[in-house]
Amino acid sequence: GAGVSQSPRYKVAKRGQDVALRCDPISGHVSLFWYQQALGQGPEFLTYFQNEAQLDKSGLPSDRFFAERPEGSVSTLKIQRTQQEDSAVYLCASSLGLGTGYNSPLHFGNGTRLTVT
Amino acid sequence: DQQVKQNSPSLSVQEGRISILNCDYTNSMFDYFLWYKKYPAEGPTFLISISSIKDKNEDGRFTVFLNKSAKHLSLHIVPSQPGDSAVYFCAATLYYGNNRLAFGKGNQVVVIP
Repeated sequence: GAGVSQSPRYKVAKRGQDVALRCDPISGHVSLFWYQQALGQGPEFLTYFQNEAQLDKSGLPSDRFFAERPEGSVSTLKIQRTQQEDSAVYLCASSLGLGTGYNSPLHFGNGTRLTVT
Repeated sequence: DQQVKQNSPSLSVQEGRISILNCDYTNSMFDYFLWYKKYPAEGPTFLISISSIKDKNEDGRFTVFLNKSAKHLSLHIVPSQPGDSAVYFCAATLYYGNNRLAFGKGNQVVVIP
């Protein structure tokens, strides 16, 4: 497809369950980002990949959050033992260049809305 | 701590008039600023950006102004159109930096036909 694709669009998980969120970036895009957007807030940075290398994971809120991009294209964000405070929209974004500051704007997917009950 | 602040969460404007959105930032190291537009159930889409070496950047109906001394930027939309009704996010980063964008909470704009 032409844009960043995320699946599933909606996910309901019971507290304590593990979830996996998928992101298909735009083909050829080097950089991939995950952001978390809580209700009424702006997106908050979680982690950044340059190709398959995870260069920055300082935004991950706890060790229950894990992200990977093993072949430098598709990425998965995994949340273990989900908690209610994990309820949010998880946005994936990709860019052609080396990061957001290289005049290479981010292209966002439509997000996965996670609800933990 | 919110490094990028957008006050006045919502704005209503008549079609054809000017919409002005304001954004303040606290981190003086930020040197690259962006505006994103978001429709419901979609991801944000890039609108316009400005580097700290400029004080104005224009793209069609959209103009961004930067006042570095005040750590303030604004987005002007002229003339406003009904399709501009959306949430607008201000974001800031380091141009040669840590690759993360700091976003504000967003402003809801409603353009009344």
